[in-house]
Amino acid sequence: RKEVEQDPGPFNVPEGATVAFNCTYSNSASQSFFWYRQDCRKEPKLLMSVYSSGNEDGRFTAQLNRASQYISLLIRDSKLSDSATYLCVLMDSNYQLIWGAGTKLIIKP
Amino acid sequence: DAGVTQSPTHLIKTRGQQVTLRCSPKSGHDTVSWYQQALGQGPQFIFQYYEEEERQRGNFPDRFSGHQFPNYSSELNVNALLLGDSALYLCASTVGATWAEAFFGQGTRLTVV
Repeated sequence: RKEVEQDPGPFNVPEGATVAFNCTYSNSASQSFFWYRQDCRKEPKLLMSVYSSGNEDGRFTAQLNRASQYISLLIRDSKLSDSATYLCVLMDSNYQLIWGAGTKLIIKP
Repeated sequence: DAGVTQSPTHLIKTRGQQVTLRCSPKSGHDTVSWYQQALGQGPQFIFQYYEEEERQRGNFPDRFSGHQFPNYSSELNVNALLLGDSALYLCASTVGATWAEAFFGQGTRLTVV
């Protein structure tokens, strides 16, 4: 089983809709969690950290469920510019990043 | 203030050759981590350098080696290239292990033919 699992998609979503991704992880000792965004053939960029209490940044909301070992990302009022691959990332006990393979999101006009 | 810069941006090599990739971290960052990202996959950790020493290493063979210089810049060397080494190689700079403030370079796309 992979340490971090994501649905590869693609998720095809109309502009303005709400979309949610889940990501499951196997290492219960994971310290921190992040969502990164990666545009085609570009470097990944940090979208947001994920906290146990849940956190929101504008149209983006992230949640962590340690008991079930999953994290989620919710995007409201999706924009064409949200089209990208979203990577679920955790930091392990050695302070290294473990990456999912990403979920591809396509926002359609 | 430049972020993380990597060179070259693209590279084509033949099987069996050797390659050196370079990374200059963001100003003020002292730790450099290297990742390999194959097409359709997430980045895989290769190794991390801090204070000119390899501090941690992922599951990569000894063909992959590196170096960090006193100015914190780093090199990734790959010997005896295989077709499977074709990937995007990413460099990330941090201050220690503060990943919430990590910056990635634009990557070097290596194609082995």
